[in-house]
Amino acid sequence: ELKVEQNPLFLSMQEGKNYTIYCNYSTTSDRLYWYRQDPGKSLESLFVLLSNGAVKQEGRLMASLDTKARLSTLHITAAVHDLSATYFCAVRLLMLTFGGGTRLMVKP
Amino acid sequence: DAGVIQSPRHEVTEMGQEVTLRCKPISGHNSLFWYRQTMMRGLELLIYFNNNVPIDDSGMPEDRFSAKMPNASFSTLKIQPSEPRDSAVYFCASHRDRSNQPQHFGDGTRLSIL
Repeated sequence: ELKVEQNPLFLSMQEGKNYTIYCNYSTTSDRLYWYRQDPGKSLESLFVLLSNGAVKQEGRLMASLDTKARLSTLHITAAVHDLSATYFCAVRLLMLTFGGGTRLMVKP
Repeated sequence: DAGVIQSPRHEVTEMGQEVTLRCKPISGHNSLFWYRQTMMRGLELLIYFNNNVPIDDSGMPEDRFSAKMPNASFSTLKIQPSEPRDSAVYFCASHRDRSNQPQHFGDGTRLSIL
């Protein structure tokens, strides 16, 4: 059974700081997805990572995938309040298995 | 592209009543997923359809839950009879099989069972 674990579960950080969210998974896969969810809203796709060493960047967010270590990271650079949300990673075998989410709060 | 369309957006009903949630996937997507999200259990996959056929329903909590997909553009999730512990946000998502594109989620149905 595929297990996907994110850490931390909750992250409070100040604007301007950098931080990394980690996503570990238990079974070999080379398809990993990151989603963002704002309170009371749906899940929005952020990144699709399809191979070992894949790196994607969008604004202040950068995601990477290490399939050998079964690890993906979501790095936040110079955080701003608008990035406050819950971030999910999801690993795909036949279906998606989601991590528990990381709730990010960026304080002024 | 209209995206995945779910209805209703909100539903409040008394326990014991039948609840039907509806989903229209994105045109051309042949895989459809129903998820449930709660604070306690996070995001859970309930059932997965491919080409209108249920492939995996192992996440369906119990016999009170049923899902159908009579055609490529419509699916329902039914709870009968409903219980307070069924209160959650239910999401529908769709996907084009054999592509690496992400699943696209609807806006969800916020269900409250009193």
